Amino acid sequence: AQSVAQPEDQVNVAEGNPLTVKCTYSVSGNPYLFWYVQYPNRGLQFLLKYITGDNLVKGSYGFEAEFNKSQTSFHLKKPSALVSDSALYFCAVSDNAGNNRKLIWGLGTSLAVNP
Amino acid sequence: NAGVMQNPRHLVRRRGQEARLRCSPMKGHSHVYWYRQLPEEGLKFMVYLQKENIIDESGMPKERFSAEFPKEGPSILRIQQVVRGDSAAYFCASSPFADNEQFFGPGTRLTVL
Repeated sequence: AQSVAQPEDQVNVAEGNPLTVKCTYSVSGNPYLFWYVQYPNRGLQFLLKYITGDNLVKGSYGFEAEFNKSQTSFHLKKPSALVSDSALYFCAVSDNAGNNRKLIWGLGTSLAVNP
Repeated sequence: NAGVMQNPRHLVRRRGQEARLRCSPMKGHSHVYWYRQLPEEGLKFMVYLQKENIIDESGMPKERFSAEFPKEGPSILRIQQVVRGDSAAYFCASSPFADNEQFFGPGTRLTVL
């Protein structure tokens, strides 16, 4: 069965420091991997995705993520955090079988960037 | 190009009433997904539709829940005889192709009294 784990409920980081939000997955076949961000009382906004190609994926707002097949991980990173990055971050996965791209979600990681 | 629209944004129902949640996908998008977000449980897939067809409803409760995506008009998620446990945020997402990222609406927050 497909699953996603975000091992940290909360991540705290000082403004200007690098941040990492962790994600590991389990899926049969080749994974499609996504990161979304959710601000309070808002919908989800797409940040980046990995489908195929380069393992390092660059996305919106200066975020990037690295696909590591051997470790089945897709950690989200940013070199220098901003207070405005404080939000809830979700990792999601689907498999590439057929055309059904339903997403299986992690429970989310709350990122707090302190001034 | 307007984003994914959902209405109402907030819906209050008493136990036993019906709830209808609407989702208008982005223009040109024929793939629609519904997800439910429960506190402490995260987002859960409910149903995947392409125009007029239900492709995967494996995440839908067997009773009281139904979804449609007619040829004309928005996708509808219908919950009959609501119970307190149905209180949640319901998100709709659309994409133009199967391999594209999904674009999410702002969600409908259902409260069952």
